[in-house]
Amino acid sequence: DSGVTQTPKHLITATGQRVTLRCSPRSGDLSVYWYQQSLDQGLQFLIQYYNGEERAKGNILERFSAQQFPDLHSELNLSSLELGDSALYFCASSLRDTNYNEQFFGPGTRLTVL
Amino acid sequence: AQSVTQLGSHVSVSEGALVLLRCNYSSSVPPYLFWYVQYPNQGLQLLLKYTTGATLVKGINGFEAEFKKSETSFHLTKPSAHMSDAAEYFCAVSRGGSYIPTFGRGTSLIVHP
Repeated sequence: DSGVTQTPKHLITATGQRVTLRCSPRSGDLSVYWYQQSLDQGLQFLIQYYNGEERAKGNILERFSAQQFPDLHSELNLSSLELGDSALYFCASSLRDTNYNEQFFGPGTRLTVL
Repeated sequence: AQSVTQLGSHVSVSEGALVLLRCNYSSSVPPYLFWYVQYPNQGLQLLLKYTTGATLVKGINGFEAEFKKSETSFHLTKPSAHMSDAAEYFCAVSRGGSYIPTFGRGTSLIVHP
């Protein structure tokens, strides 16, 4: 158990809909990262927050947004969903935003868009 | 930009045989290097990492990796494979001012009895 929790575990929805994925980092970790994992794209970094502020952006679509709240939990919002958005979405956390800190990954949310 | 190449999307070994998973990176400055493992239906977890110091790094579950700067490689090895080692393995690199590691595409390790 990494100490990172993600809800829900599975999510099935239809095209055009909007969903919210939730992540609680390990106790004490200030940095949260979101990743998308799919068979064809591998593990893609989406966005990072550090202590409530956006720190880095990766290959995140404009239809996607995220935020980190004062209690450090984070939410990833996916809107106008398309079939291609079906993937595993991971949240990870680390103590700080240094590049030598390991990341602790949650179990993921499997999103299926029908 | 940094990149990570994992040679072989699948590696198959017999139980008890040597495990060798290859990782090469491109980086103009000394990198920080990581190996993560992902078991079925789970998130990634850290096996080992190299930051500075000794180039041979020992990790969990009997795995180790050696940082070879001249070859820009960080291959993962284990002397004797166990059935429980069957999983997806990811090499990752971060460097300089980038706090975000770049992950390789992953190598699926298959262990035959």
